[in-house]
Amino acid sequence: EDKVVQSPLSLVVHEGDTVTLNCSYEVTNFRSLLWYKQEKKAPTFLFMLTSSGIEKKSGRLSSILDKKELFSILNITATQTGDSAVYLCAVARNNDMRFGAGTRLTVKP
Amino acid sequence: NAGVTQTPKFQVLKTGQSMTLQCAQDMNHEYMSWYRQDPGMGLRLIHYSVGAGITDQGEVPNGYNVSRSTTEDFPLRLLSAAPSQTSVYFCASRAQGGLSEKLFFGSGTQLSVL
Repeated sequence: EDKVVQSPLSLVVHEGDTVTLNCSYEVTNFRSLLWYKQEKKAPTFLFMLTSSGIEKKSGRLSSILDKKELFSILNITATQTGDSAVYLCAVARNNDMRFGAGTRLTVKP
Repeated sequence: NAGVTQTPKFQVLKTGQSMTLQCAQDMNHEYMSWYRQDPGMGLRLIHYSVGAGITDQGEVPNGYNVSRSTTEDFPLRLLSAAPSQTSVYFCASRAQGGLSEKLFFGSGTQLSVL
């Protein structure tokens, strides 16, 4: 059965810390892996990864995909309270997208 | 630019009642989908459509119907609501084909079935 597993499920850090969020997958017809940030309601797009080993970067956030070992990581450096959210990993297949349960990140001042 | 618009934002139903969640997008996206989000379970696909007149089932389709008569609209119907359908519902769309799988989400509908 196809699955996307995120770890940890929740994480509490202090401002300035660096965090690494994990996403492993077993999915048929893999097309790409996406990361979303969900604060209150609608998820907002962060990254889309299709090739192994190529880091995507946006400010303090970065992500990389390993298609051989079937996982991705999302790094956030110098965390801020505004980074507090649920981070969702999703794998796009031919006509659908399978989501993980998410990692709830709490950044304390 | 409105993007993906969902209505209503909140709804309370009694068991057995029916209702329709509305979703409209103004980005000319061919692909539209409905997800439900439950605590600890992430987003699960209910139904999707790759164009007007074409719909298909996702991971959890039971108890829901959809239709796609226009490119813009993709309503989700609950024919006889059950407490197990209490959830947050998201509509999402993207361009079909091409290289981007990026989904654009609506703001969600919080549904409670008593």
